[in-house]
Amino acid sequence: GESVGLHLPTLSVQEGDNSIINCAYSNSASDYFIWYKQESGKGPQFIIDIRSNMDKRQGQRVTVLLNKTVKHLSLQIAATQPGDSAVYFCAENWVNRDDKIIFGKGTRLHILP
Amino acid sequence: DVKVTQSSRYLVKRTGEKVFLECVQDMDHENMFWYRQDPGLGLRLIYFSYDVKMKEKGDIPEGYSVSREKKERFSLILESASTNQTSMYLCASSLGDFYNEQFFGPGTRLTVL
Repeated sequence: GESVGLHLPTLSVQEGDNSIINCAYSNSASDYFIWYKQESGKGPQFIIDIRSNMDKRQGQRVTVLLNKTVKHLSLQIAATQPGDSAVYFCAENWVNRDDKIIFGKGTRLHILP
Repeated sequence: DVKVTQSSRYLVKRTGEKVFLECVQDMDHENMFWYRQDPGLGLRLIYFSYDVKMKEKGDIPEGYSVSREKKERFSLILESASTNQTSMYLCASSLGDFYNEQFFGPGTRLTVL
């Protein structure tokens, strides 16, 4: 089985409910943020991104909220489905750090039937 | 769609062996990255490259080297594999120029005996 999710915080959500995954980022100079989803046995997959000149961005069933005052990022997934089960990572980048990205440790989302 | 491929999904090697992990991307991306992923430690950057023949150390380069002879290919080399290099290795690429969403390959799970 997939071991990347060991020792991660876990969020358990009932199927059909909304999920909110939170992330505290480290650098107040960060100006670009990404959420990734990693399913068991696969590489991380891009979900949605947001730049620091925005505080909200919506995609298909997902919304990212950015609060720069408290350096907080959240991912909201509407009507959670079994296929949403995965580990979710936030990532940050800032100008002058070239194109490297800093990844958070991740949160495992577990869907209850 | 961007496609990042890695030469092996699973690899078993012996201590002291020289190991080559290959990564190829098909979208003419400037940047390529090698990470390792371990439980509780998240994604850690080993090396990255902004252009052909260019390489930069990441956060944990010790015990590794890289090669980028062609734009689409980025190789990770373990000069003398050790048991503490048992891990999941992920390759990624990005366009660059601030649009630095990274696209990941499926990963190579390396076991060093």
